Amino acid sequence: EAQVTQNPRYLITVTGKKLTVTCSQNMNHEYMSWYRQDPGLGLRQIYYSMNVEVTDKGDVPEGYKVSRKEKRNFPLILESPSPNQTSLYFCASSSLIGQGIGEQYFGPGTRLTVT
Amino acid sequence: AQSVTQLGSHVSVSEGALVLLRCNYSSSVPPYLFWYVQYPNQGLQLLLKYTSAATLVKGINGFEAEFKKSETSFHLTKPSAHMSDAAEYFCAVSDHNGGYNKLIFGAGTRLAVHP
Repeated sequence: EAQVTQNPRYLITVTGKKLTVTCSQNMNHEYMSWYRQDPGLGLRQIYYSMNVEVTDKGDVPEGYKVSRKEKRNFPLILESPSPNQTSLYFCASSSLIGQGIGEQYFGPGTRLTVT
Repeated sequence: AQSVTQLGSHVSVSEGALVLLRCNYSSSVPPYLFWYVQYPNQGLQLLLKYTSAATLVKGINGFEAEFKKSETSFHLTKPSAHMSDAAEYFCAVSDHNGGYNKLIFGAGTRLAVHP
């Protein structure tokens, strides 16, 4: 089954404690992306990756890191989480259409609370 | 910069009534356009997409959307609402020219369906 998986689904942590949210896709997609969803703001892109070892900032990258060492995995790292990073996080992947993005497949989401 | 505007953060309809969710985009070239649906506690699921083929696009669950270049709109409609359509809906745009590498999402419209 084609899917994007994220772990953990729920996470409560304290300010400053490093954490990693994993993302994996089994569709051999070149493009992967992280979004955060906040009420009234829709989804905002944090980072994206066009392929292995190619990553770039989205609209709200501050406080986050990513890596793309393998095509299927795209972990999101919060080195020193703060309460304003409390949010619902989605990973997504897509094939490319020309130089643009096709249909994105989303993971189930990770609800992060930072106290 | 690209932008997407969804008019109305909340829309309420009666079961069996027409559903109309509005989306306007800004783009200097014809974009790729998408509608996604998010059911409670789930990730986003693609409803339909416009990729420069037919301007009237049919999606899943009886939804359709019409691309109107002159109005820069891509409104989502369904002739008869069902209780199971209650969810949040997101319009998104991707520029497939010039190497634009992300989707821009609207803020979302929450659809309520009442008996």
